[in-house]
Amino acid sequence: DTGVSQDPRHKITKRGQNVTFRCDPISEHNRLYWYRQTLGQGPEFLTYFQNEAQLEKSRLLSDRFSAERPKGSFSTLEIQRTEQGDSAMYLCASSPRGGRTDTQYFGPGTRLTVL
Amino acid sequence: AQTVTQSQPEMSVQEAETVTLSCTYDTSESDYYLFWYKQPPSRQMILVIRQEAYKQQNATENRFSVNFQKAAKSFSLKISDSQLGDAAMYFCAVGNAGGTSYGKLTFGQGTILTVHP
Repeated sequence: DTGVSQDPRHKITKRGQNVTFRCDPISEHNRLYWYRQTLGQGPEFLTYFQNEAQLEKSRLLSDRFSAERPKGSFSTLEIQRTEQGDSAMYLCASSPRGGRTDTQYFGPGTRLTVL
Repeated sequence: AQTVTQSQPEMSVQEAETVTLSCTYDTSESDYYLFWYKQPPSRQMILVIRQEAYKQQNATENRFSVNFQKAAKSFSLKISDSQLGDAAMYFCAVGNAGGTSYGKLTFGQGTILTVHP
């Protein structure tokens, strides 16, 4: 078990460009979460999947953001027409199937800088 | 909506001493759970300890323990015998145990803990 992985770790882009991030959850974890963390702040929930179904989206997730989790395995988060305000750390987390509690295991994050 | 407040932006402690980090929260859910996560500089978030709201007994994990006061909606973290490796940003978080927002975590602003040798 290698933990949650995210790719790339760092992304620098120019305003207006599209970017895509990938998250690979821990094997057999059926829930996958995306959060955004700005410098010095706590993570903010963006969206979450149970298997391939996207069950909730935050109001933070504007129509420029889209997330997918085909086949219930890895997930991608795409940001179209990036803006400087999108600069942040994008965190992915996964949690195991079943049970009452839902401990989330976080990946290292993708740091996005929009110039 | 859920809110989490960490009123201490920074704390410091001497190595081997004890420190307590404060957290208060607000939720309308009856069934929820609470976490403390640790985020070392430039490293990923690591779970420190978790507590289910229906359990009266305070959770402990080695040197880490919590003081969970459900009526006061308070969830503080006590670190005993502090070590240099405990230096990090600590986040308190609350998550729903059911309902439409199951699993979604709401985090506080964080407390930076410095450990002095």
